[in-house]
Amino acid sequence: GAGVSQSPSNKVTEKGKDVELRCDPISGHTALYWYRQSLGQGLEFLIYFQGNSAPDKSGLPSDRFSAERTGGSVSTLTIQRTQQEDSAVYLCASSWTSGTFFTNEQFFGPGTRLTVL
Amino acid sequence: QQQVKQSPQSLIVQKGGISIINCAYENTAFDYFPWYQQFPGKGPALLIAIRPDVSEKKEGRFTISFNKSAKQFSLHIMDSQPGDSATYFCAATAIYNQGGKLIFGQGTELSVKP
Repeated sequence: GAGVSQSPSNKVTEKGKDVELRCDPISGHTALYWYRQSLGQGLEFLIYFQGNSAPDKSGLPSDRFSAERTGGSVSTLTIQRTQQEDSAVYLCASSWTSGTFFTNEQFFGPGTRLTVL
Repeated sequence: QQQVKQSPQSLIVQKGGISIINCAYENTAFDYFPWYQQFPGKGPALLIAIRPDVSEKKEGRFTISFNKSAKQFSLHIMDSQPGDSATYFCAATAIYNQGGKLIFGQGTELSVKP
């Protein structure tokens, strides 16, 4: 079956522009995570969605970052007024849960490489 | 307290040798410790994981050793192969308290020489 897909695979933008990154999780997976991977900071958690619960935004680095998940499936990560330090690979992962039961395994997409000039 | 410290940063091993990567954590609420393998241009993929109620878990050539009292865990790759050359990340989470969000180590770049 299809894995987690992300688009675009690469995005080059100018400083100050807004960007939207998309994630299509594995069908049926109710938990969705965004992470950022950069040379200086490694892999960092950004935000987590679980079903209809309020998202855990504790990892978002600034209020320029936001994310939404529509219909419990596709998620979009938006970065407003991009800065050069936002350059990184943005990874999305999904996992299956049932209520409070977590299967633990997170399946990662290939990532979106964002370059801010 | 949320940090996971991983070492070494890079590792070179001869084919057939044993690769050992170590991680340490502080948060005693962590209850799930996975290892992820990442190839260039790909997302991380789960390799093997352990819960703190066991001290060792083995899957094929890959073994996790877990020391709860020392708050350390390690990955051993037996009979290392060139195809194992990748970046390895340890991670930790408190499944039910933190919703499974992973705290990653800094990664180890493994190179297995033929």
